[in-house]
Amino acid sequence: AQKVTQAQTEISVVEKEDVTLDCVYETRDTTYYLFWYKQPPSGELVFLIRRNSFDEQNEISGRYSWNFQKSTSSFNFTITASQVVDSAVYFCALSGKDSWGKLQFGAGTQVVVTP
Amino acid sequence: GAGVSQSPSNKVTEKGKDVELRCDPISGHTALYWYRQSLGQGLEFLIYFQGNSAPDKSGLPSDRFSAERTGGSVSTLTIQRTQQEDSAVYLCASSLSGGAGANVLTFGAGSRLTVL
Repeated sequence: AQKVTQAQTEISVVEKEDVTLDCVYETRDTTYYLFWYKQPPSGELVFLIRRNSFDEQNEISGRYSWNFQKSTSSFNFTITASQVVDSAVYFCALSGKDSWGKLQFGAGTQVVVTP
Repeated sequence: GAGVSQSPSNKVTEKGKDVELRCDPISGHTALYWYRQSLGQGLEFLIYFQGNSAPDKSGLPSDRFSAERTGGSVSTLTIQRTQQEDSAVYLCASSLSGGAGANVLTFGAGSRLTVL
């Protein structure tokens, strides 16, 4: 069975601080995909990144960066110099060979950025 | 269309009534998914359609839930004899295909269902 754990329920930071969101996953598949989605107060889930299990390179996109470590089954997400617009719930998700499009989501981490 | 469109955005119903929720996926996307988001259960997969294949119904919580996809495009999720625990936001998503490498899901804004 697949499982995604986001242990942090809520993180509060002051604008310009960095924030790291943890994601730990469990799967028996050797090939799998990991995702991060953002859900702002408007409610619509917004895709941020997809990473397959064979690509352990870290990725940076603007103020966002992701650290994928298979050895610890983690796929952590860092927001650098946070802004109020980053306030949202962030979900980590996993899909495997059972169904590539069927995502197992974590419980989500609420990020609150105050000015 | 440009995005995944869902209707209604809000639905309030009485316990025991049937409801239908509609999803119009992105044009050209062959895979369509229904998820449910509730406070207690988080984001749960419900059902998945891929092209003309039989749908994956493994996430449907009971036989009161059903879904169909007509003509490989629009989908309707039907909940019969609604219960209060069915109250949730029902999210539809689509992707280019259900295959590896093409499984980035684009979500709609959701249909919020409240069962009184």
